[in-house]
Amino acid sequence: DVKVTQSSRYLVKRTGEKVFLECVQDMDHENMFWYRQDPGLGLRLIYFSYDVKMKEKGDIPEGYSVSREKKERFSLILESASTNQTSMYLCASSSGGSGSGANVLTFGAGSRLTVL
Amino acid sequence: GESVGLHLPTLSVQEGDNSIINCAYSNSASDYFIWYKQESGKGPQFIIDIRSNMDKRQGQRVTVLLNKTVKHLSLQIAATQPGDSAVYFCAANNFNKFYFGSGTKLNVKP
Repeated sequence: DVKVTQSSRYLVKRTGEKVFLECVQDMDHENMFWYRQDPGLGLRLIYFSYDVKMKEKGDIPEGYSVSREKKERFSLILESASTNQTSMYLCASSSGGSGSGANVLTFGAGSRLTVL
Repeated sequence: GESVGLHLPTLSVQEGDNSIINCAYSNSASDYFIWYKQESGKGPQFIIDIRSNMDKRQGQRVTVLLNKTVKHLSLQIAATQPGDSAVYFCAANNFNKFYFGSGTKLNVKP
């Protein structure tokens, strides 16, 4: 069963702490994404990556950075966590290309972060 | 850009009835749409997709209808079951970027 795995399901951090959210996919997908999900706002794109060591800003990149050193791993970093970053964070991947289903996003189970 | 909205935050149906969940999008350039199901504590799961060159697509117990004229799509679930209880949301893709609605919570009453 193909998977996107987010290593931390629940985290509680203090304001100002550095936070790492890890995501690994085993589908050899080219594209990886980080979204945050908040009630009433839907999913909003933070950052995405179409290739190793490549990253692009999404709609709400402020306060976040990412790292993609290996194809299967995409990390989201909060350099100095703030209370308004309390949210559900979802990692996703897609195969890319032009074939059928190439753009379908496969999501991880999510990481619920609470910043106190 | 794109703005995607769902018409009802919550929908309650009786087990065995058909469910219809609606979604509206704003950008006529959106050319690919996906419906996702998200159960409590889980990530979104792909249900069905449709491209803009189609009006209808059917899967197992699910049908997606796309009306490009009014920029509206719907998800129909036949013979709704308790296991269908979840949040459903649509995603619209244009220029290789997805825009998501906030979701409709489907409650299935036994």
